[in-house]
Amino acid sequence: DAGVIQSPRHEVTEMGQEVTLRCKPISGHDYLFWYRQTMMRGLELLIYFNNNVPIDDSGMPEDRFSAKMPNASFSTLKIQPSEPRDSAVYFCASSRPTGELFFGEGSRLTVL
Amino acid sequence: QQQVKQSPQSLIVQKGGIPIINCAYENTAFDYFPWYQQFPGKGPALLIAIRPDVSEKKEGRFTISFNKSAKQFSLHIMDSQPGDSATYFCAVYSGGSNYKLTFGKGTLLTVNP
Repeated sequence: DAGVIQSPRHEVTEMGQEVTLRCKPISGHDYLFWYRQTMMRGLELLIYFNNNVPIDDSGMPEDRFSAKMPNASFSTLKIQPSEPRDSAVYFCASSRPTGELFFGEGSRLTVL
Repeated sequence: QQQVKQSPQSLIVQKGGIPIINCAYENTAFDYFPWYQQFPGKGPALLIAIRPDVSEKKEGRFTISFNKSAKQFSLHIMDSQPGDSATYFCAVYSGGSNYKLTFGKGTLLTVNP
């Protein structure tokens, strides 16, 4: 069974550009999470969805960040406009309501 | 507000040693305490987890000790191996309507041969 699939794995962009990160969760998982990882702040929860509905977006840094889940097999995290401080590894994870999250391999974003 | 505090930030041991990583939390509503392991370039993966109705759980060389009154839990790695070198994260979770995992800052473990 395929795990959580994220794309792109690496993204280098210039400040002010729009960035879109994509995630395909594990089939049958009804929770989807977006985390951001940096050395300074560790793993931060940005937003999570239950059955495609956003439940808690209190971790989204500011209005430049948005996330959608149009169906059970796809989610996007968008940053517009991007800034150098957004440079991080962004992880998508999915789960059933068991407490065990399954993470993708992450998207490493560098904003110059 | 940091919901879970993890220490140390980094740890170096020799092969065969027993590294111990500690976490402390404040909210007594948490009812699930997992540890995740992350290798470079990979996402975190669940290693072992405990619920507050037991004080210890073992899975192979990995043990969680849980002290409910002190609101602390720790990960012990017996007979550590170089392949255990990774970053370890504790996390806290409360079920119900606000289902989400909050992670500690992580501990970078290096096991020297």
